[in-house]
Amino acid sequence: EAGVVQSPRYKIIEKKQPVAFWCNPISGHNTLYWYRQNLGQGPELLIRYENEEAVDDSQLPKDRFSAERLKGVDSTLKIQPAELGDSAVYLCASSLTAVSYEQYFGPGTRLTVT
Amino acid sequence: AQSVSQHNHHVILSEAASLELGCNYSYGGTVNLFWYVQYPGQHLQLLLKYFSGDPLVKGIKGFEAEFIKSKFSFNLRKPSVQWSDTAEYFCAVNAHQAGTALIFGKGTTLSVSS
Repeated sequence: EAGVVQSPRYKIIEKKQPVAFWCNPISGHNTLYWYRQNLGQGPELLIRYENEEAVDDSQLPKDRFSAERLKGVDSTLKIQPAELGDSAVYLCASSLTAVSYEQYFGPGTRLTVT
Repeated sequence: AQSVSQHNHHVILSEAASLELGCNYSYGGTVNLFWYVQYPGQHLQLLLKYFSGDPLVKGIKGFEAEFIKSKFSFNLRKPSVQWSDTAEYFCAVNAHQAGTALIFGKGTTLSVSS
């Protein structure tokens, strides 16, 4: 079974530039999460999707961050414009809603904003 | 609000030493508890989990954890560590409801010398 796939793995951009991250969850997993992990910290939730609906986006900085999950499968997280403080690892995770409490994580995208 | 505290930021052990990593959480309701591990250059992987039942749970690679409800604790143990256990360990909790986001601790870096 393929795991959660993310791309790119690394991204370096200048501040004020836009950036996008892509996630393909495990097949059949209805719930998708985006987490941000700052250096020396544990991951923190940005947004959670149930199928194509964003059900928890309270921690998403909506002035510059946006996300979508078209057709309830792949998801894209975008930052526009990026700031220096956005440098972090962006993790995608997925789970089988209603039957599983377990979340499976992708390798993450390490973003560096210069 | 839920929170997770990991008491040790960095633990250094010699091979064959015993390991115990502390984890306390704060949440008023029923919770699920997890330990994730991140080996150097790899993604987060589930080490073990507790949902209900026997408070002593066993995971992969000889790890175990004990849930003590009265102490709001879920400490990770291993009787004899190996060099390959060098990694970062994260304790996490979520509400006992499928699909909810994980709240992570800040992580403990374990360094094992051969």
